[in-house]
Amino acid sequence: DVKVTQSSRYLVKRTGEKVFLECVQDMDHENMFWYRQDPGLGLRLIYFSYDVKMKEKGDIPEGYSVSREKKERFSLILESASTNQTSMYLCASSFDRGVQYFGAGTRLSVL
Amino acid sequence: KNQVEQSPQSLIILEGKNCTLQCNYTVSPFSNLRWYKQDTGRGPVSLTIMTFSENTKSNGRYTATLDADTKQSSLHITASQLSDSASYICVVRIKAAGNKLTFGGGTRVLVKP
Repeated sequence: DVKVTQSSRYLVKRTGEKVFLECVQDMDHENMFWYRQDPGLGLRLIYFSYDVKMKEKGDIPEGYSVSREKKERFSLILESASTNQTSMYLCASSFDRGVQYFGAGTRLSVL
Repeated sequence: KNQVEQSPQSLIILEGKNCTLQCNYTVSPFSNLRWYKQDTGRGPVSLTIMTFSENTKSNGRYTATLDADTKQSSLHITASQLSDSASYICVVRIKAAGNKLTFGGGTRVLVKP
């Protein structure tokens, strides 16, 4: 079974803090993705990566950055957290253009 | 405006009954359409995938249909069970857009005993 593991299920941070969300997959997938999910808006792509050290902006990259130093790990970074970044964050991975496998999500609250 | 619209936003059904969820999309050119199920507190899990040439696909009690001419898809749940309570998300892949997906807002289904 494909496993996509997100390091935290729940996080509470203060405005202005630097926040790291970690994601690890165990299926040697080239592609990894970060989404945020908000009620009524569906999943929106923040960043994705096709390979180690490679990253591409998604639809809503502002206020975020990513890091992919190893194939299995894709990190999402909020340089200076703001209240409008309170959301559910979902990581996914896939092989080529196949099905995306999702982690359980991290619910982030920024106070 | 979202390019993948789902309806209804939510519905409540009694255990054992059937229901149908709708997905209309405007994205083009179309590559494939996938339905995901997302349990509360979990990530989405793929249920079915259909390409342009397929108009129906089943996965147990879930049956998805696709009309590529009208750009509509539906997900039919037969003999609903309590475990079907979840959000169902319609996802469309655009051809020549790399690996990017367009997600619908989801339909939240609650199955009551």
